[in-house]
Order: sequence, then C-alpha cells, then structure tokens
Amino acid sequence: KQEVTQIPAALSVPEGENLVLNCSFTDSAIYNLQWFRQDPGKGLTSLLLIQSSQREQTSGRLNASLDKSSGRSTLYIAASQPGDSATYLCAVKDSNYQLIWGAGTKLIIKP
Amino acid sequence: DTGVSQDPRHKITKRGQNVTFRCDPISEHNRLYWYRQTLGQGPEFLTYFQNEAQLEKSRLLSDRFSAERPKGSFSTLEIQRTEQGDSAMYLCASSLVQGRETQYFGPGTRLLVL
Repeated sequence: KQEVTQIPAALSVPEGENLVLNCSFTDSAIYNLQWFRQDPGKGLTSLLLIQSSQREQTSGRLNASLDKSSGRSTLYIAASQPGDSATYLCAVKDSNYQLIWGAGTKLIIKP
Repeated sequence: DTGVSQDPRHKITKRGQNVTFRCDPISEHNRLYWYRQTLGQGPEFLTYFQNEAQLEKSRLLSDRFSAERPKGSFSTLEIQRTEQGDSAMYLCASSLVQGRETQYFGPGTRLLVL
C-alpha cells in the first residue's frame, strides 16, 4: 500500500530565505507526483506536476525534484515571501490512477 | 470559466440529519472527484466519475454516502444519517483525461455535525 510522508509537519523561516520541503513515498511505481498549496479553509492549487520519467519541474521561484528510485521528492522555494505562507501537500498518482496524499507541511514565512 | 465551484461552503447539521453537497466542475472536464479532508491531514479519495459513470468508490464511502453525476456535468454528494465522524472538509476536483490530467480543486464544503 502506497504511503506518502511529509517532513517537517511545520516550518517557520524568515522572509527571504531559501527553503526545502520534503516528501517521501513507499512504492516507486507511480505515474506522477504533484505539489499543491492549500490556504487556510480553502481548496488546493496545483503548483507543479512531475511525470515519473522526469527529474524536475520549475515554475518561477519553485523547483520540484523527483527521485523515483529512492521514493523522494523535494520542493525548493527560493527567496521566500510572506505570501508563500500556506500548507504544502504532495500527492503521488499510484498504479490505480488514484492520488495518494501526504499530510502536508505548514509553512510560515515571517516578515 | 471560473473554475470548480462547490455549494454550500459551510454546513452545520445535527447528528442523524441528511446533507447534500453540490460540485460544478470546469465545463469541459470529463472527470470529477470527491475527497474528504480532516484537520491536519491530506485529502482522502472517496469516489470519481468519468462523464456520468461512477468508476470507483473508496472503502471509506459507506452505504450512508451516495454520489451522482446524472448528466455528466455537476455532481452531488449526499450523506444520510450524519455522524459526528463525518465532520470534515469535502473537496471536489475535476480534470480532463488527456495529457497530464491535472486535477483542479474547488474551495470545498466544510461540514460540522453536532
């Protein structure tokens, strides 16, 4: 059974710092991995999607990497801003085409 | 198109009552998903439709839960005889089955069962 873990559960950093969020999964048989952002009480916004054959994807200040063999992905946020404060979730699409989610990392960027 | 919409945004009900939620997907999307999310956790898959066909249901979806998508457009999720454990955020997402199939999420319906 696929399990997705995100560490740390919460992270607080000063504005301007670069940071890395981690996601690990137990079964390497995935179709893709996505990173989402969730603001309090709201739905989810897709940030980046990495296909299983890809190693990384970039969008603006965000860079996501995927190492399928080791079951790991990282989300790198450069030059963090207070507006980046949110919960970040990763999800893998498994062999049944279902999204299996981590519990998220709550990120706070201090001005 | 303004994205996926859900109604209501919030619902408070007493234990034992029935509730129904609605999701309107992005118009050209043929897949529609329902998820449940409790505080501090990621979403859990409940069920999904391709057009009007319900293709998969999670074991989380007890017989008190039913979902429909009668014309392949909007969908409803009904919970009968609600229990306090049903309190959660219910999220709807839609996608187009081609390419990367990114799921686009609605704002969710927050249910509180007293």
